Amino acid sequence: GAVVSQHPSWVICKSGTSVKIECRSLDFQATTMFWYRQFPKQSLMLMATSNEGSKATYEQGVEKDKFLINHASLTLSTLTVTSAHPEDSSFYICSARTDSQWEEQYFGPGTRLTVT
Amino acid sequence: GQNIDQPTEMTATEGAIVQINCTYQTSGFNGLFWYQQHAGEAPTFLSYNVLDGLEEKGRFSSFLSRSKGYSYLLLKELQMKDSASYLCAPMDSNYQLIWGAGTKLIIKP
Repeated sequence: GAVVSQHPSWVICKSGTSVKIECRSLDFQATTMFWYRQFPKQSLMLMATSNEGSKATYEQGVEKDKFLINHASLTLSTLTVTSAHPEDSSFYICSARTDSQWEEQYFGPGTRLTVT
Repeated sequence: GQNIDQPTEMTATEGAIVQINCTYQTSGFNGLFWYQQHAGEAPTFLSYNVLDGLEEKGRFSSFLSRSKGYSYLLLKELQMKDSASYLCAPMDSNYQLIWGAGTKLIIKP
């Protein structure tokens, strides 16, 4: 149990276009979902935390108008990278957690974004 | 501030035992997680400690000392597939995981 999927697993897009990444909890209801970004050989960087039905809470330095997060249901959250630039190329990972704050976060497999 | 300190890289031999240490400073504390991350993949959960002491789970064990801000992950009977990065992630008072860069473990035959 506790499976989180992400789609797509990799995507290449042109500079200036937008890309949407989906994160789904397949067998549990995710009260909270997290979006991370990870550059090569660096730590996970939390971008935002979203709770179902409410606006996402963005970390300092993350542009909320550029990285649009929607957590429309207890099993789906989406991250849209708008007007992507080459510096947005990274590994984007979502994770999900049930309503227990002490529970582990279940990670999706990640999405590798390359902006050309 | 909040920070995590782990060795950047460690090397061990197949079949041996390795201990990966982690010291941390956080605003509040609600337990500590260890995750494994293979290159190019997302992290996978290994263990969670919230009380002092040792938690054993098969070949992996994790230890916590809250007063010292210290944890370690012990891997026994190392296998080649254990080559990965190991991430120590304490949870702060806001139930947010604090991530360091992790320890890259290289297993040699």
